[in-house]
Amino acid sequence: GQSLEQPSEVTAVEGAIVQINCTYQTSGFYGLSWYQQHDGGAPTFLSYNALDGLEETGRFSSFLSRSDSYGYLLLQELQMKDSASYFCAPGAMDTGRRALTFGSGTRLQVQP
Amino acid sequence: GAVVSQHPSRVICKSGTSVKIECRSLDFQATTMFWYRQFPKQSLMLMATSNEGSKATYEQGVEKDKFLINHASLTLSTLTVTSAHPEDSSFYICSARRASARSYEQYFGPGTRLTVT
Repeated sequence: GQSLEQPSEVTAVEGAIVQINCTYQTSGFYGLSWYQQHDGGAPTFLSYNALDGLEETGRFSSFLSRSDSYGYLLLQELQMKDSASYFCAPGAMDTGRRALTFGSGTRLQVQP
Repeated sequence: GAVVSQHPSRVICKSGTSVKIECRSLDFQATTMFWYRQFPKQSLMLMATSNEGSKATYEQGVEKDKFLINHASLTLSTLTVTSAHPEDSSFYICSARRASARSYEQYFGPGTRLTVT
């Protein structure tokens, strides 16, 4: 079976740092993706971890610990435009489909 | 870049009618396309996976006779919601992945908002 947990809402101020955690239980796990979605828009790919450790892409970083079934997305120097929903998505090998399962999403509100 | 389009972006239909949504990969060949639905402030729920030239694989609980998926070419997949009812009103999003891509590289379309009255 599969399960995913991430916080439902996070609020922070401009310029701050925010960490969004994700714990998962996924059969056939092969990697963890993160997506951003603004209201009414399509998800856009942010980051991916296949191996343990930190991946840095500009202001965004993502971390994975396979042994703990845990990952997080770190957003630095927050900007108002970062207000959006963020989804972690563990990838699973399932009959060769390599489908993604999205978490419930974390709604980030950046305040001035 | 990799661009995926969806048409229409919004559709309003009457209960009992059928609606077809198109998903196109504009600048790459997509061997696999995924269809998701999303209710307000909720997550994306995978409905089905379609591979070009073969039958779609539906997720548990998704009625294959109600949500007809056709992936007739490497750039086009269609989702037809048959005999739509108000509870089918939702945001439908497709994503596409090219054959040579790493598994996490999915490109999402802009979504189609379906309202059934």
